Formats: sequence, C-alpha cells, structure tokens
Amino acid sequence: GAGVSQSPRYKVAKRGQDVALRCDPISGHVSLFWYQQALGQGPEFLTYFQNEAQLDKSGLPSDRFFAERPEGSVSTLKIQRTQQEDSAVYLCASSLSRDQETQYFGPGTRLLVL
Amino acid sequence: QKEVEQNSGPLSVPEGAIASLNCTYSDRGSQSFFWYRQYSGKSPELIMSIYSNGDKEDGRFTAQLNKASQYVSLLIRDSQPSDSATYLCAVNPDGGATNKLIFGTGTLLAVQP
Repeated sequence: GAGVSQSPRYKVAKRGQDVALRCDPISGHVSLFWYQQALGQGPEFLTYFQNEAQLDKSGLPSDRFFAERPEGSVSTLKIQRTQQEDSAVYLCASSLSRDQETQYFGPGTRLLVL
Repeated sequence: QKEVEQNSGPLSVPEGAIASLNCTYSDRGSQSFFWYRQYSGKSPELIMSIYSNGDKEDGRFTAQLNKASQYVSLLIRDSQPSDSATYLCAVNPDGGATNKLIFGTGTLLAVQP
C-alpha cells in the first residue's frame, strides 16, 4: 500500500508568515509522530498522536507550533509567525499501533524561512 | 550531554570491507534501539531494530547491543557503494509510553569503489 505522504514537499515562507504542513499516514496506522530535522542533525521529536489524541507535545519548541489530527488520520503541523530558525525538514512518521514500534517516515517537507 | 551520541564521520571504507558504526546512549532505562539509513535529501529508512543484549543479524547487517555499557553498534559486511549514506542511531527512552525516538546526529558512511 501507499506509504506516508507529506505536502507540500517544499515551502518558502517570509518571516512572520504562517505555514501549514500536512501528513497522510499509512492507512490504519494509529500512531503518528512529527519530527524536525535541521541540516546536518538527526531528527528531533516534536509531538505524538495516538488516533486523534495528542499524547505528547513536549518537543514543540514554542507556542508558535501547533499540531492536530482531528479525525485520527491526516495530521497538520502549523507554525505561526515563522522565524528563520524554523527552517528545517519536517518529517512525519506513523506506526501501526503503540505496541508496534517500527516508524515509517514520509518524504518530509523542506521549509525555508527568509 | 546529548542523549544519543554518534561520531559524525565521515567514515570511509573500501568496497567489500566491514563498516562499523557506533552509538552510545545516556538513558539506562531505554529498551528499544533502531538503526535508520538516510540518503542525502531523503527520509530515514529503518534497517534494524534490536531489543535484547547480543547480536542480531539480517543479511549483511548485524546490530549489537550492550545495555550495561549503553552501547549499540551496526556492522555492515561486504560494504557496497550503495551503502554510502548517513546512518542514524535511534533510541526509544520511554519504555513504550509514546514510542518517540531520540536520534543521534548520524554517521556519514562513504564506501569507496
């Protein structure tokens, strides 16, 4: 079946602009994760959903970052008033369930804030 | 101190050699460990997972875990130029609470033909 998809693949934003990044997990996957990967670094955890419930948002760097998964499938990561330090690749991953740890990553959204 | 540490490399090995990639972690309660491969401009791809002390082999790949030393490694036998990528070590420190992964910065492997 289809893997994790993300859109847009690339986004250029002016500083101060709001952006919304979309993730379509693998069908039937209960768990969904967002990670931020800066250039030359490993991915860093942002937030975790189990179905529609956001169970962990400890990695969100500021209150400008907001994520939702209202129907337990598609998720949106929103960044308000973008700053240059928000420039990174935003990766979405899903796993079948909380007991199945293997995470499958999407292609990522590369965000550049000018 | 970063929770998961890797040598950033680059690690250069000749084709056909064994590549040895190492990782240490700080959370002694961690139970699950993963190696991901990431080609430039692509997303991470799972290679191996390991949960128990000892070795786990899958084709040309062997993962080794030593919880007492808080050390996990990945061996790649008969290295091929197509193995050239960044290898990310990831640890689940939660013991199943959320399964979030903590990644190292990755080791860049270059296999020379």
